[in-house]
Amino acid sequence: DTGVSQNPRHKITKRGQNVTFRCDPISEHNRLYWYRQTLGQGPEFLTYFQNEAQLEKSRLLSDRFSAERPKGSFSTLEIQRTEQGDSAMYLCASSWYGLAGSNEQFFGPGTRLTVL
Amino acid sequence: DAKTTQPTSMDCAEGRAANLPCNHSTISGNEYVYWYRQIHSQGPQYIIHGLKNNETNEMASLIITEDRKSSTLILPHATLRDTAVYYCIVRVGSGGSNYKLTFGKGTLLTVNP
Repeated sequence: DTGVSQNPRHKITKRGQNVTFRCDPISEHNRLYWYRQTLGQGPEFLTYFQNEAQLEKSRLLSDRFSAERPKGSFSTLEIQRTEQGDSAMYLCASSWYGLAGSNEQFFGPGTRLTVL
Repeated sequence: DAKTTQPTSMDCAEGRAANLPCNHSTISGNEYVYWYRQIHSQGPQYIIHGLKNNETNEMASLIITEDRKSSTLILPHATLRDTAVYYCIVRVGSGGSNYKLTFGKGTLLTVNP
């Protein structure tokens, strides 16, 4: 399968614990995005990378959140000291960005986080 | 990015055309109309996008009014697998804030047998 993959698909954790999610984009894509989706709402943008550089972070991304894309391929999203309000679906997407602008984003299946 | 307005929900009979409207009255000249859909428990899926002209691909057709203030996504022969939330998104095609998609709540399309 050559689509965007995310692991784990589900994560249950206790409040205060740290969690880390992984996203593997489509291999030739140079842009990678993280979104968060809560129940009944559309996805909300969190941050994005072009290659290994993190170019934009939403105000939704508090200090407890950190994202990396160390070699410009896969990315990780870590949440420290999780809170119940962090419970959501975390979606990763990737796209190719070139001189002609950005192509459409392809999304992974998401990681559903439940904080007890 | 311009704001969009969509009905909360719609129903369609299997085999019939599904016409999903979207209002984007504040759209700017360099903004495209994108449609994504999200089937339950999956990530969003790109459907189609357009600037001024009507567009068609293997999934759907996009009709944009001449003043570009509204558009309609058409699924010509809806199937049960088309039941999903459909998002209409307006964003610039290049530069600016085109790196992100701003989703609203979308339209829940239910295709009935």
